[in-house]
Amino acid sequence: QKEVEQDPGPLSVPEGAIVSLNCTYSNSAFQYFMWYRQYSRKGPELLMYTYSSGNKEDGRFTAQVDKSSKYISLFIRDSQPSDSATYLCAMSEGNTPLVFGKGTRLSVIA
Amino acid sequence: GAGVSQSPSNKVTEKGKDVELRCDPISGHTALYWYRQSLGQGLEFLIYFQGNSAPDKSGLPSDRFSAERTGGSVSTLTIQRTQQEDSAVYLCASSLVEGGVTEAFFGQGTRLTVV
Repeated sequence: QKEVEQDPGPLSVPEGAIVSLNCTYSNSAFQYFMWYRQYSRKGPELLMYTYSSGNKEDGRFTAQVDKSSKYISLFIRDSQPSDSATYLCAMSEGNTPLVFGKGTRLSVIA
Repeated sequence: GAGVSQSPSNKVTEKGKDVELRCDPISGHTALYWYRQSLGQGLEFLIYFQGNSAPDKSGLPSDRFSAERTGGSVSTLTIQRTQQEDSAVYLCASSLVEGGVTEAFFGQGTRLTVV
């Protein structure tokens, strides 16, 4: 079992839909959780950062962490074609390198 | 500059040659990471520098790969005797606080092609 599992998709949704992206993990020592967005031929861009469990909201984006289930989610409300990208989850124990999921490719269709 | 800067952005090299990839982290960031991303794959960890601690080299795929970080700032990733399987995008990231927060920011990457 890999440390971080993420469904690669592709996921295709109509414009305006609510998108749910998820990762599961096996290492209970992970405390820092991040979501990155990566456009084609670009570096990953940090979207959301969460410490430990709970929710965090930033505009149309909401990140949730459930440490008891070892499950993290990113919700995108009112999705736009410009949200079409690959979304990567990443996590760390804090003093250790980030461990990434393989990424989910999202397409938002106008 | 405000972000992580990597150079060159693209590099084509012949099999067997050595290459050097450079990363300029965000000023003041104490942690620096190198990752590799192959076509359609996730990010593969290579090496992690954190402050003055010994680097975590556990992700380096072979002894042909090495990296250094001079003066706690600029880092160079060196690949000796390049092979075709080394072709990938090499990404560098840096983060602000050592020993805790690891909110990491990435550069645009160096696309390496070995022919």
